[in-house]
Amino acid sequence: EAQVTQNPRYLITVTGKKLTVTCSQNMNHEYMSWYRQDPGLGLRQIYYSMNVEVTDKGDVPEGYKVSRKEKRNFPLILESPSPNQTSLYFCASSLQGRTGGNSPLHFGNGTRLTVT
Amino acid sequence: TQLLEQSPQFLSIQEGENLTVYCNSSSVFSSLQWYRQEPGEGPVLLVTVVTGGEVKKLKRLTFQFGDARKDSSLHITAAQPGDTGLYLCAGGDIHRDDKIIFGKGTRLHILP
Repeated sequence: EAQVTQNPRYLITVTGKKLTVTCSQNMNHEYMSWYRQDPGLGLRQIYYSMNVEVTDKGDVPEGYKVSRKEKRNFPLILESPSPNQTSLYFCASSLQGRTGGNSPLHFGNGTRLTVT
Repeated sequence: TQLLEQSPQFLSIQEGENLTVYCNSSSVFSSLQWYRQEPGEGPVLLVTVVTGGEVKKLKRLTFQFGDARKDSSLHITAAQPGDTGLYLCAGGDIHRDDKIIFGKGTRLHILP
């Protein structure tokens, strides 16, 4: 089954403790992206990757890191999490990064992160 | 910066009623997508419209892209409880083909 898999689904951690949220897709998609979703603010893009070893900042990259060593994986790293990073995180992928009818986004089921 | 405004933010109606939600901008978009997100899940694509004036139907859902490609609407006929969810519109940035911009969503609740 074609899917984007995120882990973990839920995570509670403390300020400053490094964490990684994994994301993997089995569709051979070139483009992958991370979003956070907050009430009243909608989906905001954190980082994206157009292909292996190519990553770019989105709208809210501060406090986050990503890597794209393999096509299928795109982990999100929080080196020193803070309470304002408490949010619902989504990984998404598409066949190509170019917008338009041929490249819809496929989303994972989300990771709910709480930083105390 | 291109922005997409969705209205209404919240809508609660009885099963069987019709409804329309809107996605508006002052900017032109290269394409527009509609997603539905259910609790505990990620958004799932419903439709993509590309041409100004385009109309697409998905069972009881009708999607329209404005002639000037600045706005879109989603009309649901005879709403059912299964239509409950968060509806998101997303537009392709006309200035950057690697950018998609999301609206904040319309949260729809259909009462049985």
